[in-house]
Amino acid sequence: EMQLVESGGGLVQPGRSLRLSCAASGFTFDDHAMHWVRQAPGKGLEWVSGINWNSGSIGYADSVKGRFTISRDTAKSSLYLQMTNLRPEDTALYYCAKARGVDWNYGMDVWGRGTVVSVSS
Amino acid sequence: EIVLTQSPATLSLSPGERATLSCRASQSVSSYFLDWYQQKHGQAPRLLIYDASNRATGIPARFSASGSGTDFTLTISSLEPDDFAVYYCQQRSDSPPGLTFGGGTKVEIK
Repeated sequence: EMQLVESGGGLVQPGRSLRLSCAASGFTFDDHAMHWVRQAPGKGLEWVSGINWNSGSIGYADSVKGRFTISRDTAKSSLYLQMTNLRPEDTALYYCAKARGVDWNYGMDVWGRGTVVSVSS
Repeated sequence: EIVLTQSPATLSLSPGERATLSCRASQSVSSYFLDWYQQKHGQAPRLLIYDASNRATGIPARFSASGSGTDFTLTISSLEPDDFAVYYCQQRSDSPPGLTFGGGTKVEIK
């Protein structure tokens, strides 16, 4: 069974940093791009970032560009999101999602349950 | 930046009825990069349709989708109790590069 498990969320003060992790299992991690998608409380889905199969191509939403960094570790079948200079508007449930193909321009066919990030003083 | 507008925001229907959801793009979108997702309350989204009209694995035949250019439609032919949820369209653009979601349509029980 394909599975994604996120971790690393929590309560953090504005301006601080946080690193999210996503452990993948049940599929060949190297064969797929990966995404981070977030959902603020009571709101819709917002794509955050995507990374292709070999980390050769990466994309970010304008709202996080320059503050967030996506990365992946093939040996650990893991995806990461380093978040710096966090703002209250970054408060959301962050989902890790597997892309349908090798490039991050493909949509998401497997989703984790998410990890909550709260940014507040 | 391409904006996806979904309508209606809320659709109140009874089980057995037909649901028609619209997703309109501010600029032409390649059909190869238009997907639909279902999100039930308290759950992660689930891929329903990819490339505008292809059902994802395990999705029942009552779900269908079509469209091209700027207008896309998701149809649920006969609503089951399990179908009451929020539905999102999503597209990928090259300029600027990125993925965007529509605001969602909530299908609720009338």
